[in-house]
Amino acid sequence: GAGVSQSPSNKVTEKGKDVELRCDPISGHTALYWYRQSLGQGLEFLIYFQGNSAPDKSGLPSDRFSAERTGGSVSTLTIQRTQQEDSAVYLCASSASVPAGISPLHFGNGTRLTVT
Amino acid sequence: DQQVKQNSPSLSVQEGRISILNCDYTNSMFDYFLWYKKYPAEGPTFLISISSIKDKNEDGRFTVFLNKSAKHLSLHIVPSQPGDSAVYFCAATVQGAQKLVFGQGTRLTINP
Repeated sequence: GAGVSQSPSNKVTEKGKDVELRCDPISGHTALYWYRQSLGQGLEFLIYFQGNSAPDKSGLPSDRFSAERTGGSVSTLTIQRTQQEDSAVYLCASSASVPAGISPLHFGNGTRLTVT
Repeated sequence: DQQVKQNSPSLSVQEGRISILNCDYTNSMFDYFLWYKKYPAEGPTFLISISSIKDKNEDGRFTVFLNKSAKHLSLHIVPSQPGDSAVYFCAATVQGAQKLVFGQGTRLTINP
């Protein structure tokens, strides 16, 4: 079966532009996560979805960041008015059930975002 | 506030020898720990986990040890193989919680 799919794999954008990052989770996985990895850093939690609702948005760094999930499947992470500090690899993961520790997260290959 | 720390950014080990990757945590509420492995341009993949009710879990060449009093865990790989060269992330969570907290990662290089 297909794994977690993210698109685009690479995105270069100018400072101030908006970007949308897409994640297709593994079919049937109810939980979906967004993390990001900045250069030399660990994985930073952004947001978690259970179905279409987001019980935990605590990791979103500012109100320029938003995410939605529709149909319990595809998720889109939107960054408005991008800044250079937004440059990072954005990783999406899904899992069959919660909690996160018991059901391993399956990660996509990420979207490398570069803000110039 | 870095709740999960991997203080060694890199480690180099000769093929066939033991690799030991270390991880420290500060949040005493954490009770479930995982290791993920990441190759370049790929997402992390789950490797092994341990619950706080255990102090050791083994899966083939991989063993994770947990020292709750020291808030320390380690991943042992023996014997190390060239395919083990990757970045290893330690992660922790509170059972019932929805998110994993990751360390910064350790880049392991296995030399032939």
